[in-house]
Amino acid sequence: GQQVMQIPQYQHVQEGEDFTTYCNSSTTLSNIQWYKQRPGGHPVFLIQLVKSGEVKKQKRLTFQFGEAKKNSSLHITATQTTDVGTYFCAGRNGKIIFGKGTRLHILP
Amino acid sequence: GAGVSQTPSNKVTEKGKYVELRCDPISGHTALYWYRQSLGQGPEFLIYFQGTGAADDSGLPNDRFFAVRPEGSVSTLKIQRTERGDSAVYLCASSALTGGTTEAFFGQGTRLTVV
Repeated sequence: GQQVMQIPQYQHVQEGEDFTTYCNSSTTLSNIQWYKQRPGGHPVFLIQLVKSGEVKKQKRLTFQFGEAKKNSSLHITATQTTDVGTYFCAGRNGKIIFGKGTRLHILP
Repeated sequence: GAGVSQTPSNKVTEKGKYVELRCDPISGHTALYWYRQSLGQGPEFLIYFQGTGAADDSGLPNDRFFAVRPEGSVSTLKIQRTERGDSAVYLCASSALTGGTTEAFFGQGTRLTVV
């Protein structure tokens, strides 16, 4: 069945450093979504990418969708303590399949 | 209400008992999803409804798990003969499936503990 893999599992960065998480699907996706989950909370939608090669930005966050629509990345520039949480990619082909997430820790 | 509502928020049950978990989606959302999340893991897909019908139930781990959505709104996840391994947070999400962005809105989850 469809699988969505995400690396790294954990990332510790100094506040102000950049952060990137990568997502890879075993199948071509109609679209990919990114969610953020704060400790003790539920996943909250960040963005959806639909087109091959699409790049979208939200302030310090940059999202990319691969040309083959099987991989994606999230890059955060100059991390802040508010960025702490787990970032999930989710591939959509009808149902939404989540990766295992990348847990971001910010060191002050 | 404005968001997805799940009840109860916490449920402790004894091994072997039957439990029902309820999800009230955002009004008008045709798609409804159930996930299970263990500590440190991503949401694990269980089942997905389009309207009243289960469009994909391939994530249900075994026949002890069953979900319904009889009127295309509220959904109930039913677990028979619960086992300790069923302990997790059960998340429900709903989505409009119309327009350009089909984001899923999650409820706060039901934390199930089987003792």
